[in-house]
Amino acid sequence: AQRVTQPEKLLSVFKGAPVELKCNYSYSGSPELFWYVQYSRQRLQLLLRHISRESIKGFTADLNKGETSFHLKKPFAQEEDSAMYYCALRIGSFGNEKLTFGTGTRLTIIP
Amino acid sequence: EPEVTQTPSHQVTQMGQEVILRCVPISNHLYFYWYRQILGQKVEFLVSFYNNEISEKSEIFDDQFSVERPDGSNFTLKIRSTKLEDSAMYFCASSPVENFHNEQFFGPGTRLTVL
Repeated sequence: AQRVTQPEKLLSVFKGAPVELKCNYSYSGSPELFWYVQYSRQRLQLLLRHISRESIKGFTADLNKGETSFHLKKPFAQEEDSAMYYCALRIGSFGNEKLTFGTGTRLTIIP
Repeated sequence: EPEVTQTPSHQVTQMGQEVILRCVPISNHLYFYWYRQILGQKVEFLVSFYNNEISEKSEIFDDQFSVERPDGSNFTLKIRSTKLEDSAMYFCASSPVENFHNEQFFGPGTRLTVL
């Protein structure tokens, strides 16, 4: 069965410093990987997905199939980046299959 | 911008009681989901629903759970006889059926507390 691992429950970074949130997955096929973010008192929302290969709010994530990783990175952290971040995986080709989430990392940006 | 809505935001119930959690998906979406998150744990898939039937369910989704789309707008999750371990945040999500890479849009969640 597929699994997503986020090894850090909590991560604190100074404003302006680089951020890296780790995500590893286990699945033998070709999954779709996502990062969802949940700001305080707000709903889960999609931050980015590996398919689109775009940068959102300065964040990027590269799918490394060899290391089965999809780490989220940002070169310069901002205070508004403080939030809960969830890595998620989806398998299947139809596009509406379930998401499998990691346990999440709470990112705190120190001013 | 259209959003998924959920009611109530917080539900407190006694063990053994039935609860119905309500969701209004985004109007042109056709795929619907329920997820739950027990405090301190990961968000877990419960069930997906398409074309008026369950398309996939997890092992958590046992006979105590059911889903329904009673009209053209609501999507409900019913727990027949709640247990203490059903206490969790329940998220509804919906997605369109347009292409292979559909985004799932989440509601704000309903916090269920079973006493």
